Amino acid sequence: DGGITQSPKYLFRKEGQNVTLSCEQNLNHDAMYWYRQDPGQGLRLIYYSQIVNDFQKGDIAEGYSVSREKKESFPLTVTSAQKNPTAFYLCASSTPPGLHTGELFFGEGSRLTVL
Amino acid sequence: AQSVTQPDIHITVSEGASLELRCNYSYGATPYLFWYVQSPGQGLQLLLKYFSGDTLVQGIKGFEAEFKRSQSSFNLRKPSVHWSDAAEYFCAVGGLRGNQGGKLIFGQGTELSVKP
Repeated sequence: DGGITQSPKYLFRKEGQNVTLSCEQNLNHDAMYWYRQDPGQGLRLIYYSQIVNDFQKGDIAEGYSVSREKKESFPLTVTSAQKNPTAFYLCASSTPPGLHTGELFFGEGSRLTVL
Repeated sequence: AQSVTQPDIHITVSEGASLELRCNYSYGATPYLFWYVQSPGQGLQLLLKYFSGDTLVQGIKGFEAEFKRSQSSFNLRKPSVHWSDAAEYFCAVGGLRGNQGGKLIFGQGTELSVKP
């Protein structure tokens, strides 16, 4: 079955450590996204990538980094510069219909807790 | 600036009662509109979407939504709620990819509780 796989589902980190969240999709989608979810704040866009080897900052990119070396993969690194990293992270992908925004397909999420 | 507002943070309805979740958007061009549902600790699942054509859109699980351009609204409805509908619901808007990069803008979410 096609889908988006995020790992790990739960992750604990000490302050000052970098962590990398994995996101893999086998939907053959061009675009991939990382969102952060906090209670009462909906989803906020961290980074997105429309094609391989290209990505753009979203609304809250500070303290995060990404790479897009393969179409299937879009890992997110939460660096020690991110001041409040405890959150639920969602990866998504899409194949926009032509020039317009298409629906997003989401992974199951990764919950990061900083101790 | 583009934005999505879901005025109700939390709604409680009785099982079998009707449901309407409100969504208002601000978008400079013709919007594409979406409703997603999220169970606790899970990803988001698409309920329905509006791109063009008939303004009343049918989705999965018995949900429907109506696009009203004059009111900048895209409210979600269900005639009879089931206990399994308890979840968080998100409205989202997107449009021309252009400099927006094809991203969706999400509302803050509405948490639905269902009373037996």
